Amino acid sequence: GIQVEQSPPDLILQEGANSTLRCNFSDSVNNLQWFHQNPWGQLINLFYIPSGTKQNGRLSATTVATERYSLLYISSSQTTDSGVYFCAVNYGTYKYIFGTGTRLKVLA
Amino acid sequence: EAGVTQSPTHLIKTRGQQATLRCSPISGHTSVYWYQQALGLGLQFLLWYDEGEERNRGNFPPRFSGRQFPNYSSELNVNALELEDSALYLCASSPEDREAFFGQGTRLTVV
Repeated sequence: GIQVEQSPPDLILQEGANSTLRCNFSDSVNNLQWFHQNPWGQLINLFYIPSGTKQNGRLSATTVATERYSLLYISSSQTTDSGVYFCAVNYGTYKYIFGTGTRLKVLA
Repeated sequence: EAGVTQSPTHLIKTRGQQATLRCSPISGHTSVYWYQQALGLGLQFLLWYDEGEERNRGNFPPRFSGRQFPNYSSELNVNALELEDSALYLCASSPEDREAFFGQGTRLTVV
């Protein structure tokens, strides 16, 4: 089956810093999403990005499907950005296989 | 527009009992997915329903089962509960093969 790996596993930043989170997948995928999981467990949609680049405020994402990776950029980080970030891929009949996650902590 | 809703929010059961979790998808979404997230771990794919049929299931024993109703809502049943079934169960819905949206989850505790 497909492997979805995220890096780094843990990240600690000072407020205002920028960061890049990476998602690598081992096979061709139909589509890809990025999520932020808040402390209460809710998964918040960030991007639906099978390919190309999208931006939403301080966040942007790029997926290079041919090279099997996606990047999530967070600029000018805020304490409210803390949480776990997941990428998830839609692969054949397997729907939304989740990556291993990046746990982000932003310090005030 | 209402999002994906799950009930109950919390559920406490005794080992050996059965648990039933419910999910109402976003209006117009025909696919429903179920995931298990044990404490501190990632999300594991459980089941996918589309148009009332089970389309795929993850690597879980048969005591995890479910169904999708004609209105596309879904139910997840876990029989013969074990302590390790304690987890956050998340449901998501999507239109055909498009962006998925998640509910707030049901936290199941087995004692």
